[in-house]
Amino acid sequence: QPHLQESGPGLVEPSETLSLTCSVSGGSISVSRYYWAWIRQPPGKGLEWIGTTHSGGSIYYNPSLRSRISMSVDSSNNQFSLQMNFVTAADTAVYYCARDTVSEGMDSWGQGTLITVSS
Amino acid sequence: YVLTQTPSVSVAPGQTAKIICGANNLGSKSVNWYQHKPGQAPVRVIYDDNDRPSGIPDRFSGSNSGNTATLTITRVEAGDEADYYCQVWDSTSEPVLFGGGTRLTVL
Repeated sequence: QPHLQESGPGLVEPSETLSLTCSVSGGSISVSRYYWAWIRQPPGKGLEWIGTTHSGGSIYYNPSLRSRISMSVDSSNNQFSLQMNFVTAADTAVYYCARDTVSEGMDSWGQGTLITVSS
Repeated sequence: YVLTQTPSVSVAPGQTAKIICGANNLGSKSVNWYQHKPGQAPVRVIYDDNDRPSGIPDRFSGSNSGNTATLTITRVEAGDEADYYCQVWDSTSEPVLFGGGTRLTVL
């Protein structure tokens, strides 16, 4: 199984842009059968899917977040990224990246990174 | 499309826990289950309705038919206490869906 590691700022001010990166080691991000996902968990709530991307260019976004997010894959550095604009306190959450096999679910996850939106 | 889970299930050690995930015609989709403990990454425990990843005890099993998918944990142990989420890929505008989660408490 690959190792996934999220990196991000920890603290973001309201209305600013959140940028997160997931570094993948122990496997290529360009393998065609795999998709790459972002999921978050706000405090006291359940898991929420944010979006999924593929090295071939396919991208799927949660409709409730689509207007504020963008995802990309950097195959040369074996990582993928999430940008979320105009963040509010409601975006405070632990953010996870994961490898999605689609037919067999998300088989590898990062440890998660806590993002707090506050001034 | 919404996946509905009972918020909580309690069971004594050694007993069997059944965690339900409901949705319209869920049996036509492939359901995955994740175990999530506080401070840890979620772990896939069942995929494609009833397949078990390597390293997951055979006490964990799954089924999916009609409008209901079920995660069954036999001989429940204290270490099974966690939140459990069902998940599907759905060919709609929101392709990845998680259920709201079920907290399993071991009495």
